[in-house]
Formats: sequence, structure tokens, C-alpha cells
Amino acid sequence: GAVVSQHPSRVICKSGTSVKIECRSLDFQATTMFWYRQFPKQSLMLMATSNEGSKATYEQGVEKDKFLINHASLTLSTLTVTSAHPEDSSFYICSAEKDQGLSQPQHFGDGTRLSIL
Amino acid sequence: AQSVTQLGSHVSVSEGALVLLRCNYSSSVPPYLFWYVQYPNQGLQLLLKYTTGATLVKGINGFEAEFKKSETSFHLTKPSAHMSDAAEYFCAVRLQGAQKLVFGQGTRLTINP
Repeated sequence: GAVVSQHPSRVICKSGTSVKIECRSLDFQATTMFWYRQFPKQSLMLMATSNEGSKATYEQGVEKDKFLINHASLTLSTLTVTSAHPEDSSFYICSAEKDQGLSQPQHFGDGTRLSIL
Repeated sequence: AQSVTQLGSHVSVSEGALVLLRCNYSSSVPPYLFWYVQYPNQGLQLLLKYTTGATLVKGINGFEAEFKKSETSFHLTKPSAHMSDAAEYFCAVRLQGAQKLVFGQGTRLTINP
């Protein structure tokens, strides 16, 4: 299989708090992981591509100082939403590639619903 | 730039009826094509993919899709809908040589008893 675990599944916190979301590939090594944001009833928006051992590549319009990504090992990438505000409330989903090769699918975590009060 | 269009943001069919979810892409070179399903408050699960070879691909849960290069389409079908098929479905493409997936806007499938 290719299982991706995302934690926590839900976070509710006060404005100004920093929140860390973890994305783990449980049964494979992932050199590349992806972070998406999904608004209600909308599609996934790619935020950044996370490469193990190097800096993440952010999509246009995504603040890298706001959304800190760390990919320190082949099985773990983290997304930290710094000083979160209500407009950061959203569903965040990570994915990982099991094998090298662009024909391979991405395997997704179950998402994290972030609610900022 | 490549794009993905899913015709119909909401499709409703009766239980036992044919399911047809449409996906068209715009790319001069055939990309890699994927269909994913998303249940409420969950991530995405791969249904099937097309890379090369046979243009009719079979996936999980009885779904299949056919790549038609001349129509730049990759429509998803299932002969007989089941109540458990109710979910959001996303078509995605990856251009050969590109790392990113580009998603369609999604189609919400509702199954009527």
C-alpha cells in the first residue's frame, strides 16, 4: 500500500496562534510531498512542493513566511501556519509520491481542518 | 498552460443507473491523467490513472475511464451506481515533465434511492 497519515485531523485555536500539521508516509519513503489548501465546495489549490533536504517551492501568492514547510526526513513533512488568523481557516491536505516518476499518482492524507477563532 | 475542465459541478443519478462524469483537458501533449474521489472531511483516494498503453483503464469500486486523445477527454463511468458512490470526484492531469498535478473543479455525485 501507500499510506499517508496527517495529524491532527482537526484544530481549533485562537487568532495569533501558530499551528503545526504533520504529514507522514507510513509505509514508503517520499522524496517529494505536496501541501494543498481546499476551501468549502472548491477544488484543491497547491500551496507548495516539499522536497526532502531542501527548501520548499511555493506557488505564486503563497506567503512562505506565513506557511513554513519543513521536510527533514523521507517520511515526514510539516506545515506550520504562523500567527494564524481567521482567514487561514481552511482544509489543508498533504500528499506524497511513493515512487519516482511523473506517471505515478500522489497519495493523499485525510486532511486537517483548521479553524481559527 | 494546461487546464482541466469537469463539466457539471453536480451530477445526480438514481441507484443502479449509469454514472458518467466528464473531464476534458487542454494540452498539446497527452498528459498523465488521474481520477480521485473525496468523501466528506477526508483526503483524496485514487480511483484510476492513465499513463500509456490501453486507453480504457479500470479502477477501484467498479469505475473505469477512457482516454480519447482526439477529444482530449478522460470521462469516468460506472455501469451501476451505488449509494456509497456519493462523493466529490476530481479529475487531475500532470503534464509529462511537470511535477505538479492540476485539478479540475470537482463534480459532486449524488445518488438517489
